[in-house]
Amino acid sequence: GDSVTQMEGPVTLSEEAFLTINCTYTATGYPSLFWYVQYPGEGLQLLLKATKADDKGSNKGFEATYRKETTSFHLEKGSVQVSDSAVYFCALNSGGGADGLTFGKGTHLIIQP
Amino acid sequence: DAGITQSPRHKVTETGTPVTLRCHQTENHRYMYWYRQDPGHGLRLIHYSYGVKDTDKGEVSDGYSVSRSKTEDFLLTLESATSSQTSVYFCAISESAGVVTEAFFGQGTRLTVV
Repeated sequence: GDSVTQMEGPVTLSEEAFLTINCTYTATGYPSLFWYVQYPGEGLQLLLKATKADDKGSNKGFEATYRKETTSFHLEKGSVQVSDSAVYFCALNSGGGADGLTFGKGTHLIIQP
Repeated sequence: DAGITQSPRHKVTETGTPVTLRCHQTENHRYMYWYRQDPGHGLRLIHYSYGVKDTDKGEVSDGYSVSRSKTEDFLLTLESATSSQTSVYFCAISESAGVVTEAFFGQGTRLTVV
């Protein structure tokens, strides 16, 4: 079946550091890939998505490229801020049924001033 | 923001009591989902619905039941709450089951079973 693997953390960085959160997946067919963000005490919000190989999703300074050859969708940001502290979830949708997205376990990111 | 309202937002209940959580949407989306979020487990699908009166089990459905009598409402019931059901519960909706479709989430309900 489908699965998503990501580091769980916590990942602790200093403000203005470069961020990479790795995400790899296993899926049938040609899934769409997503990054969601969860700020403290809130629900998940869609951060960015990519629907086919080599697509780059971007939003709020974050970006991720759909790499079919390595089955990866790593999240990057060039200079993180304290306000980026959150839990980040990688997810996929292979369109195989009505049960929705498959999520990774989430990566807790802590940015220190 | 997608119009999704979960109620209650917080609840403390005693072991053995029934509990119902409500998810209400104003987007007229066909698909609705209940997840639970626990440390070390991420998000796990409890039940989902693909239309009025059409529901199915997810990964962790034991001890939970759902009902969907109207497009806008999806209820999650714990028939007899146990301490292992202490968790944060999220409702999500999506417009279709298509591969490019994302899900939109509610704010969550924090349930504590004592």
